[in-house]
Amino acid sequence: DTAVSQTPKYLVTQMGNDKSIKCEQNLGHDTMYWYKQDSKKFLKIMFSYNNKELIINETVPNRFSPKSPDKAHLNLHINSLELGDSAVYFCASSQVSGGGEQYFGPGTRLTVT
Amino acid sequence: AQSVAQPEDQVNVAEGNPLTVKCTYSVSGNPYLFWYVQYPNRGLQFLLKYITGDNLVKGSYGFEAEFNKSQTSFHLKKPSALVSDSALYFCASGRIGNQFYFGTGTSLTVIP
Repeated sequence: DTAVSQTPKYLVTQMGNDKSIKCEQNLGHDTMYWYKQDSKKFLKIMFSYNNKELIINETVPNRFSPKSPDKAHLNLHINSLELGDSAVYFCASSQVSGGGEQYFGPGTRLTVT
Repeated sequence: AQSVAQPEDQVNVAEGNPLTVKCTYSVSGNPYLFWYVQYPNRGLQFLLKYITGDNLVKGSYGFEAEFNKSQTSFHLKKPSALVSDSALYFCASGRIGNQFYFGTGTSLTVIP
């Protein structure tokens, strides 16, 4: 069974479009995260949710909006996509915010043309 | 500011030789420290963590890391490198209820 899953795995879209990435974890963890990994492999946290509540919201454009319908799901919606949004987006989860090891999904490679 | 640093972008080591991937931290209080590995086109995988106790922590795939409080370091080590260890390695730190910080990553290449 996949612990942290993301869909889709690849996403190619044009500038100005709106897209969503879905994430689900079946580990029973309380905290979920979204990360962006750029072409240089730098990993940047974007958001963190604990029991469906936002606890970390790094400096990201407000075109990015996370939504957590329940503690097993954390989706990422992106409005008005820009070329600079092209990256790999990873979802992760942990039992404890900050102090526990995180389990990562396989990533979603977003390409904006 | 709290952070972790990985001073080497790239580490090359011959197969069978010991390997070390360096990490230093700047976190107030008692940090939780982690190592993750990322294989090409995959998500990060947890290798090991230090919370408290013995300074030498053993993890997956024969890796271990040594916590050194005086040098604020948490270097990843393996006694004998395998070609299959070639990957991107991330050091990270966090504290319960606080943000998680990742280093910039070190690309390890094990040469046959």
